[in-house]
Amino acid sequence: GQQLNQSPQSMFIQEGEDVSMNCTSSSIFNTWLWYKQDPGEGPVLLIALYKAGELTSNGRLTAQFGITRKDSFLNISASIPSDVGIYFCAGVNDMRFGAGTRLTVKP
Amino acid sequence: DAGVIQSPRHEVTEMGQEVTLRCKPISGHNSLFWYRQTMMRGLELLIYFNNNVPIDDSGMPEDRFSAKMPNASFSTLKIQPSEPRDSAVYFCASSFGVGRGIETQYFGPGTRLLVL
Repeated sequence: GQQLNQSPQSMFIQEGEDVSMNCTSSSIFNTWLWYKQDPGEGPVLLIALYKAGELTSNGRLTAQFGITRKDSFLNISASIPSDVGIYFCAGVNDMRFGAGTRLTVKP
Repeated sequence: DAGVIQSPRHEVTEMGQEVTLRCKPISGHNSLFWYRQTMMRGLELLIYFNNNVPIDDSGMPEDRFSAKMPNASFSTLKIQPSEPRDSAVYFCASSFGVGRGIETQYFGPGTRLLVL
């Protein structure tokens, strides 16, 4: 089946730094989604991307739908401690999730 | 709105026992999804209902797993008999829209299942 490769697996950064993570696939997706999961909670949708090349922002978060439709990236600017969590990408043809990027922000 | 409600939040059972997980979707949503999350396999879609009808159950691991949605406000995921490898966090999510309504999918808090 379609596989999503999400990287990096984990990140340890200092508060105020920018963060970048991405997902790639060998298959084409019609929609890319980015979720954040806090400990003990379910994933929460951050950004949805519907068109190749689309660049969408949500506060300090920016995500892009790759031109080839096989990849997407998420940037977080000026990180703060509450950004801590696991970030997942999801590709929509049959709703597959990446393995997640675990983000730790040091004050 | 209370959001997606799942029960129980935690379940510990012994191998061979039947386990039933419950979900109440957000009122007015017409799609419901069951997911399983493990460290090894990440987040996997098990089954998806639209208007109470199962649309895609290709993610259901095997015959020991079954899901029902008798009405728009309730769904169950049953494992019988349970095995230790079924230990995971099971999420229910709901959304409103045509097709999968992916962009408006809201997750519940999950049920943490441990099978001894």
